[in-house]
Amino acid sequence: DAGVIQSPRHEVTEMGQEVTLRCKPISGHDYLFWYRQTMMRGLELLIYFNNNVPIDDSGMPEDRFSAKMPNASFSTLKIQPSEPRDSAVYFCASSLGLFASVDFGPGTRLTVT
Amino acid sequence: EDQVTQSPEALRLQEGESSSLNCSYTVSGLRGLFWYRQDPGKGPEFLFTLYSAGEEKEKERLKATLTKKESFLHITAPKPEDSATYLCAVQGGKTSGSRLTFGEGTQLTVNP
Repeated sequence: DAGVIQSPRHEVTEMGQEVTLRCKPISGHDYLFWYRQTMMRGLELLIYFNNNVPIDDSGMPEDRFSAKMPNASFSTLKIQPSEPRDSAVYFCASSLGLFASVDFGPGTRLTVT
Repeated sequence: EDQVTQSPEALRLQEGESSSLNCSYTVSGLRGLFWYRQDPGKGPEFLFTLYSAGEEKEKERLKATLTKKESFLHITAPKPEDSATYLCAVQGGKTSGSRLTFGEGTQLTVNP
């Protein structure tokens, strides 16, 4: 298995631009998570899906952030408009079951200038 | 609100020098305590899940233990390749919506 796949691995954009991060979870996993990691706040859960349905988005910081999962093998996290404080590493992760170990992707390092 | 505190923030060991990392937690209805390893530029890698006080799990030079208030990750005779950030996370079931709450991590450096 290729593991969780994320793209792009690095993204540099200017403030105000739209950013879309992409994720392909491990085949067969029914939960998908989006996390953000910063030095100041560590790893934070933004949103998670179960069978493509958003279950808990209470970690999404603002209305500028949105996430979709149109099918079992693809999810996106969109930031519009982006701001410098959104600079972080964004991880997508998936699991088989809510209380199982979570497999993380390699992350997308986002820099907003 | 679930909380996880890891100590120390950073630990530097000589190869072969055993030590322990601490993870203190408060959680409403513990479903599981997880240990992850994170190498620079990579995503966290799952190590262990512990479910109840008294439980222990081992993998190579690592041993994780759990009490009602904390977990320890014991590293026996570490090697330079054990250098990484070790993250602890708890998953509750009552007030946290079953989400994982991570600690800040312990950055371990093992010198040859």
